[in-house]
Amino acid sequence: EVQLVESGGGLVQPGRSLKLSCVASGFTFNNYWMTWIRQAPGKGLEWVASITNTGGSTYYPDSVKGRFTISRDNAKSTLYLQMNSLRSEDTATYYCTRAPPRTYWGQGVMVTVSS
Amino acid sequence: DVVLTQTPPTLLATIGQSVSISCRSSQSLLHSNGNTYLNWLLQRTGQSPQPLIYLVSKLESGVPNRFSGSGSGTDFTLKISGVEAEDLGVYYCMQFTHYPWTFGGGTKLELK
Repeated sequence: EVQLVESGGGLVQPGRSLKLSCVASGFTFNNYWMTWIRQAPGKGLEWVASITNTGGSTYYPDSVKGRFTISRDNAKSTLYLQMNSLRSEDTATYYCTRAPPRTYWGQGVMVTVSS
Repeated sequence: DVVLTQTPPTLLATIGQSVSISCRSSQSLLHSNGNTYLNWLLQRTGQSPQPLIYLVSKLESGVPNRFSGSGSGTDFTLKISGVEAEDLGVYYCMQFTHYPWTFGGGTKLELK
């Protein structure tokens, strides 16, 4: 059974940093692209970052480019999201997902950016 | 950016009724490799999104066959043939043909 378990969320002040982790199991991690997707409270879904199976290439929307960094450790089957210069609009539940076409989603981790 | 417009935003249905949700894209979602990267998701209240359909019309494992997807180019449809109580929630389409990957605004399915 595919499982994705996120951790590292919490309350952080604007301008500070936070690093999310996602431990994957139930599939061959290093065969798949991985993705972070977020959802602000009461809002829709927004793609945040993707990384190829080797970690050799990464992709971001303009809203987080230059502030967020996606990375992975295939030996540990773990995906990361380093978030710097956080803003109030980054407040959201962050989901770790196995990338499309067939997606699997974690339960999500809440990040609140507030002073 | 590709804009996905879902209609209707809210759908009222009775148990057993068949319903359809439309997802229209501002650009063709046909990739140069011949695939069309359009998926459908269901998010029940308080839960993470659950994949339903991938590549326009392929049913995810474990998803009941009352769900079906169709369409091409810029027009796509999710149909539920006989709504059941467990189908209530918000439905999203998502595209990953073009960067940035984008989502529709959602369609909330409620009981009439």
